[in-house]
Amino acid sequence: DGGITQSPKYLFRKEGQNVTLSCEQNLNHDAMYWYRQDPGQGLRLIYYSQIVNDFQKGDIAEGYSVSREKKESFPLTVTSAQKNPTAFYLCASSDRGGSTDTQYFGPGTRLTVL
Amino acid sequence: AQTVTQSQPEMSVQEAETVTLSCTYDTSENNYYLFWYKQPPSRQMILVIRQEAYKQQNATENRFSVNFQKAAKSFSLKISDSQLGDTAMYFCAFMKQPGSARQLTFGSGTQLTVLP
Repeated sequence: DGGITQSPKYLFRKEGQNVTLSCEQNLNHDAMYWYRQDPGQGLRLIYYSQIVNDFQKGDIAEGYSVSREKKESFPLTVTSAQKNPTAFYLCASSDRGGSTDTQYFGPGTRLTVL
Repeated sequence: AQTVTQSQPEMSVQEAETVTLSCTYDTSENNYYLFWYKQPPSRQMILVIRQEAYKQQNATENRFSVNFQKAAKSFSLKISDSQLGDTAMYFCAFMKQPGSARQLTFGSGTQLTVLP
């Protein structure tokens, strides 16, 4: 089945540790995105990538890093520099060259800092 | 910068009734896309409906339709024949016409509860 997978579903981190969230898609989409969702709020863009080996900062990139070595994969690293990392993280992808720019989302990862 | 405002944090509707969720946005762009996404308790974001600003006709998708008022910068979602499975958080989102960036700007959401 085509879709977007994120792992793990739940992640616990101790303060001072870096953690990496996985996002994989088999939709052959060019563009991929990472969003953060806090309780009672909408989604905010962390990073996005429109093509392999290229990515741009979103609105809240501080304390996060990404890579895009493969079209299918766009992992997000939450570094120790992120002061308040506890949140729900959503990955999305879209067909940049397609007739629509609709973004489709993965199931999300809930990150909790202990 | 674009902003999206959803002024109804919570709403409820009886099963089989109709409900309308409000969304307004602020932009200086002339060409853009608008979306409604739903997020059920599973927290998966699911596309409900999409509207291109250059289209005058309002988008419809089965029981879901929009009332797009470009001059008023309003984009409301109407759900007809509400079902229990429609219970979810609904987000309105804005995207500039494709260019160098295709990021979505989201509103803060409306929690809709369908009552049996």
